[in-house]
Amino acid sequence: GAGVSQSPRYKVAKRGQDVALRCDPISGHVSLFWYQQALGQGPEFLTYFQNEAQLDKSGLPSDRFFAERPEGSVSTLKIQRTQQEDSAVYLCASSLLPLNSVHEQYFGPGTRLTVT
Amino acid sequence: GENVEQHPSTLSVQEGDSAVIKCTYSDSASNYFPWYKQELGKGPQLIIDIRSNVGEKKDQRIAVTLNKTAKHFSLHITETQPEDSAVYFCAAIQAGTALIFGKGTTLSVSS
Repeated sequence: GAGVSQSPRYKVAKRGQDVALRCDPISGHVSLFWYQQALGQGPEFLTYFQNEAQLDKSGLPSDRFFAERPEGSVSTLKIQRTQQEDSAVYLCASSLLPLNSVHEQYFGPGTRLTVT
Repeated sequence: GENVEQHPSTLSVQEGDSAVIKCTYSDSASNYFPWYKQELGKGPQLIIDIRSNVGEKKDQRIAVTLNKTAKHFSLHITETQPEDSAVYFCAAIQAGTALIFGKGTTLSVSS
């Protein structure tokens, strides 16, 4: 079946621009996660949604980062006034069950953001 | 919070040899330990996982072992093939928290 998809796959932004990254999770998956992966590092947690509710945003690095999942399916990660340190791969993952039932997480291909 | 250490950072083997990657975790409450394979330009792919009530799990050429007392778990790949070359990440999680990843191991299998 269809996996997690993300768009765009690559995004180049000038410093100060706003960007929006999209994630389409596996259909029916309750949980959706955003991770940030710096070059040569493991993914780091940004935020978590259970259906449309954002239950944990403790990993968002600044108030320039904002995520939403208004209808409990597609999610958008928005970064305002991008900075060079925002350059990274942004990964989306989904899981069938809520976070309090530990379950497999499936990742999308990621969006590589380069801020120039 | 949870901290996951992964070793080695790079691993080079000959085709047909075995490869072992080891991880340690700090929080004894962690109860689920997945392993992901990430190829260049792609997202992490779940290859095998183990829960804390199991000591070992095997799937064809790959196996994972867990030692809860010592708080470490390992990935074993036997009969390695060139297509096994990738970056491998271990991770740990407990209910209600997000995955915490190790820093990754770059595996190179030469033919």
